Amino acid sequence: EAQVTQNPRYLITVTGKKLTVTCSQNMNHEYMSWYRQDPGLGLRQIYYSMNVEVTDKGDVPEGYKVSRKEKRNFPLILESPSPNQTSLYFCASSSYGLAGNYEQYFGPGTRLTVT
Amino acid sequence: GQSLEQPSEVTAVEGAIVQINCTYQTSGFYGLSWYQQHDGGAPTFLSYNALDGLEEKGRFSSFLSRSKGYSYLLLKELQMKDSASYLCAVRSSPDNTNAGKSTFGDGTTLTVKP
Repeated sequence: EAQVTQNPRYLITVTGKKLTVTCSQNMNHEYMSWYRQDPGLGLRQIYYSMNVEVTDKGDVPEGYKVSRKEKRNFPLILESPSPNQTSLYFCASSSYGLAGNYEQYFGPGTRLTVT
Repeated sequence: GQSLEQPSEVTAVEGAIVQINCTYQTSGFYGLSWYQQHDGGAPTFLSYNALDGLEEKGRFSSFLSRSKGYSYLLLKELQMKDSASYLCAVRSSPDNTNAGKSTFGDGTTLTVKP
């Protein structure tokens, strides 16, 4: 089954304790992206990756890191989480070519609470 | 930069037709997508328009006017399960410096009443 998986689904942590949210896709997609969603707001892009070893900042990259060492994986790293990073996080992937990446497949989401 | 505007809420009756609008201002525009998101769930893809005109997919249709920076999603024969948030999103052109950037609207909450 084609899917994007994220782990963990729920996480409560404390300020300053490094954490990683994993994301994996089995569709051989070139493009992967991380978003955060806060109440009343749409999805805001954190980082994206056009292919292995190619990453770039989205609109809200501060406080986050990513890496793309393998095509299928795109982990999101919070080196020193703060309460303002409490949010619902989505990973997404899509193919990317001349047709663009118009159809993004989303993971189930990770609900992060930083106290 | 890119910005999109959508109404925050729309209410309609079961069986009716509803239109959800999205206006955008963007540089290096490539295409506009629509996603459906149920409360607490992940967004799921509905439609994509790169060219002007109407794209029909069953009960859902999407329209794009590039010259006006305007799109709408049309839902026909509304069902209770269509109650959800609907988000429009734009992508930059592949030959743009920010080719991978995606920008989403804040979403329109559709409530379908019996």
